[in-house]
Amino acid sequence: EPEVTQTPSHQVTQMGQEVILRCVPISNHLYFYWYRQILGQKVEFLVSFYNNEISEKSEIFDDQFSVERPDGSNFTLKIRSTKLEDSAMYFCASSLDRDSETQYFGPGTRLLVL
Amino acid sequence: KQEVTQIPAALSVPEGENLVLNCSFTDSAIYNLQWFRQDPGKGLTSLLLIQSSQREQTSGRLNASLDKSSGRSTLYIAASQPGDSATYLCAAHQKVTFGTGTKLQVIP
Repeated sequence: EPEVTQTPSHQVTQMGQEVILRCVPISNHLYFYWYRQILGQKVEFLVSFYNNEISEKSEIFDDQFSVERPDGSNFTLKIRSTKLEDSAMYFCASSLDRDSETQYFGPGTRLLVL
Repeated sequence: KQEVTQIPAALSVPEGENLVLNCSFTDSAIYNLQWFRQDPGKGLTSLLLIQSSQREQTSGRLNASLDKSSGRSTLYIAASQPGDSATYLCAAHQKVTFGTGTKLQVIP
């Protein structure tokens, strides 16, 4: 069964450094998403992406964040200058359609900012 | 702003018991509602998706209902098993908002 994959599974970085989290969505899916979950807290929506542009974003997704689909398979989340409070599990998801189809989640990348 | 709440926050039941998890949301203008399970330190596994025009969905021992007018969804688990132990999350899809989760422990 096709699945969403994410790399790396864990990343440790110094505050102020740039990180890029990578995702490979399910191949025929059209909508892509990033979420984060700070330890012990709720899963929070960051951004959705369709047709090579951001379709929705939350208040969390400020100028420090950017997303890109550099080729036909990868979907990346970049944090330009990491802060301590960016430490979280970051999940990528994809779906065939926005309204009627299940979102499939990747296993997550655990980011620790020191 | 959409608020999604799940009750109870934690639940411990003996194996074999039927149980109901509750999810409530404040804004009924949703595209769909999805139930997930999350195992410790892991990602989210989709269980059921109910579209806004539907009232329920079933998959095996799981049945999810949706009442948009009252802003509620329930997840019914029949004949619970130790393997069902996980945190269960509901997500209201509009600008996607997740609930707080119910941590379920099924005692063998």
